[in-house]
Amino acid sequence: NAGVTQTPKFQVLKTGQSMTLQCAQDMNHEYMSWYRQDPGMGLRLIHYSVGAGITDQGEVPNGYNVSRSTTEDFPLRLLSAAPSQTSVYFCASSPQAIEQYFGPGTRLTVT
Amino acid sequence: AQSVAQPEDQVNVAEGNPLTVKCTYSVSGNPYLFWYVQYPNRGLQFLLKYITGDNLVKGSYGFEAEFNKSQTSFHLEKPSALVSDSALYFCAVRDEYNFNKFYFGSGTKLNVKP
Repeated sequence: NAGVTQTPKFQVLKTGQSMTLQCAQDMNHEYMSWYRQDPGMGLRLIHYSVGAGITDQGEVPNGYNVSRSTTEDFPLRLLSAAPSQTSVYFCASSPQAIEQYFGPGTRLTVT
Repeated sequence: AQSVAQPEDQVNVAEGNPLTVKCTYSVSGNPYLFWYVQYPNRGLQFLLKYITGDNLVKGSYGFEAEFNKSQTSFHLEKPSALVSDSALYFCAVRDEYNFNKFYFGSGTKLNVKP
C-alpha cells in the first residue's frame, strides 16, 4: 500500500492564481481531511469528508474548496491564492475518524 | 472552546534519561486524545490514543501517555530517550460535539542529545 499520497511536493504561486493540491489514499478509508501547518500554530483543519459526495468545513475553510467524487481522492482547490495561504498542507485519512494517517505534505509559497 | 495546549515549545533531554512532553486539554466531556510525531520534512505519524479504559496508554516506539482527568492532562512519556526520538510532537483532541473534527496543539520540539 502506498498509503496517503500528495502532489505536488512543492509549489510556488503568484497572488490571484488558482491551483489544486491532490490527495489520494489506497486504504479504502471513508474519512479524509486537509490541514495546514503554520509555525507555532500546529495543524488546523481546513475541510473534511466522511465519504464520497460528503464534505464539510473545518476550522479555517475560507479560500479553499473541496470535493469528493471517489473514496480514494480528495483534492483541495485554492480559488485565488493569497500570501496568507503560504503554508505546508497535509492530507490525512482514517477508517473511522479516530487516528489519522497523514501524507508527506505539500509546501506552498504564494508571492 | 475545545483545545489542547502544549506549554513547552522545546524540550531538551540527554539520551538515556526519561522524557516528558506535556499536553493539557479543554473539553467538558470525555475526550478522545492523541499523540503524533513529525520527523523533518515528513507527515505526522500516529503514536497513541486514549479513548476509554485504562488511563495509561502504551504506543509505538516505547512511548506511553497517562490520561489524568482531574488535571485535564495527557502527557507523553518515555523511560529512556533515544537520539532518534528527536522530532516534533503534537497532541490532538477530537471535538466532543462533532466527531469528525480534531484540534491540534502547537507542537513541542524534542531534542535528545547524545
